[in-house]
Amino acid sequence: QKEVEQDPGPLSVPEGAIVSLNCTYSNSAFQYFMWYRQYSRKGPELLMYTYSSGNKEDGRFTAQVDKSSKYISLFIRDSQPSDSATYLCAMRIKAAGNKLTFGGGTRVLVKP
Amino acid sequence: DAGVTQSPTHLIKTRGQQVTLRCSPKSGHDTVSWYQQALGQGPQFIFQYYEEEERQRGNFPDRFSGHQFPNYSSELNVNALLLGDSALYLCASSFGQAPTEAFFGQGTRLTVV
Repeated sequence: QKEVEQDPGPLSVPEGAIVSLNCTYSNSAFQYFMWYRQYSRKGPELLMYTYSSGNKEDGRFTAQVDKSSKYISLFIRDSQPSDSATYLCAMRIKAAGNKLTFGGGTRVLVKP
Repeated sequence: DAGVTQSPTHLIKTRGQQVTLRCSPKSGHDTVSWYQQALGQGPQFIFQYYEEEERQRGNFPDRFSGHQFPNYSSELNVNALLLGDSALYLCASSFGQAPTEAFFGQGTRLTVV
């Protein structure tokens, strides 16, 4: 079993819809949670960075962390075709320094 | 402000050969981590360099080695290439040893034939 699980998709939504993405994890020691967006054949781009449980909002993006359920979510409001990409969740343990453990990524397609 | 830069962008090598990939971190960053991303999968941590020393290592064989220079730039070396080493190799930079935001380069796509 992988430490971080993510539905590979693809997740297809119409333009303007809310995109809902999530990851589950098994290691309760994870404390820092990130979401990256990766376009085809490009490097991952950091979208959101959160510590411990709670919500964080940045523009059209909202990240939620529920440590009790070992579940994190990313919501994209008013989705645009330019949001079509693979979304990767990543986590780290404070004691493990900067080592990131990634999910496998969810491919999202926003149709005009 | 230049972000993380990697070179080369693409590379084709033959089985058994050796390859060196290069990374310059984002300005102000002193820690470099390397990841391997196979097609359709998430990145896998290879190792991390800080103060010119390997600080952490993932589950990769000794064929994978690295170096960090005084200007914080880094190299990833892979010896005795296997077909399974074909992947996107990503460099991420951050500041210090404590967890901070990590920024990735565009990657080097290595194809082993």
